[in-house]
Amino acid sequence: GAGVSQSPRYKVAKRGQDVALRCDPISGHVSLFWYQQALGQGPEFLTYFQNEAQLDKSGLPSDRFFAERPEGSVSTLKIQRTQQEDSAVYLCASSFRQGRAFFGQGTRLTVV
Amino acid sequence: AQKITQTQPGMFVQEKEAVTLDCTYDTSDQSYGLFWYKQPSSGEMIFLIYQGSYDEQNATEGRYSLNFQKARKSANLVISASQLGDSAMYFCAMREVGNQFYFGTGTSLTVIP
Repeated sequence: GAGVSQSPRYKVAKRGQDVALRCDPISGHVSLFWYQQALGQGPEFLTYFQNEAQLDKSGLPSDRFFAERPEGSVSTLKIQRTQQEDSAVYLCASSFRQGRAFFGQGTRLTVV
Repeated sequence: AQKITQTQPGMFVQEKEAVTLDCTYDTSDQSYGLFWYKQPSSGEMIFLIYQGSYDEQNATEGRYSLNFQKARKSANLVISASQLGDSAMYFCAMREVGNQFYFGTGTSLTVIP
């Protein structure tokens, strides 16, 4: 497809379970971003890649959060030992250099 | 300090009227971009309009225009002729060169028939 694709769209995890969220950016987009959006809030920055290089991971809330983009295209956000406060929508976006960000539909994570 | 400030948590507008959503930003960079996104209840983030810091003219895209006042560091979104489908959350964002997108807390717009 032509847009940013995220999978799964919905994920229910038991507390303590590990989860992996996938993002397929638009082909050719060098920049890829992960954001966390709690209900009724604006997107909060998690991490940013330029090609395969993770240039900024200052927004990752703890060492339980890990992101990778090994070949400079698909990215995976992994959350280990999920906790209830991790429940949120996780948005992935990509952009071509300094252009606008194109967002995926998001993954809604619910930790029970 | 907040990079993006949106001071209107909620706004109401009568259908067919114009509405202005406020946004101020904070940066010391000379080169940056300003963006507005719409997020309906379905959750998707829809790009509306872009303004570059060096652009002298205010950006316009159909019914959307961006009132860019560089000295005041404001980038207000003006929606003309509001429609019921405009009811959504609206987010202002900024990107400095080589950096992430910073988002505001959003404004919830409700269009009243």
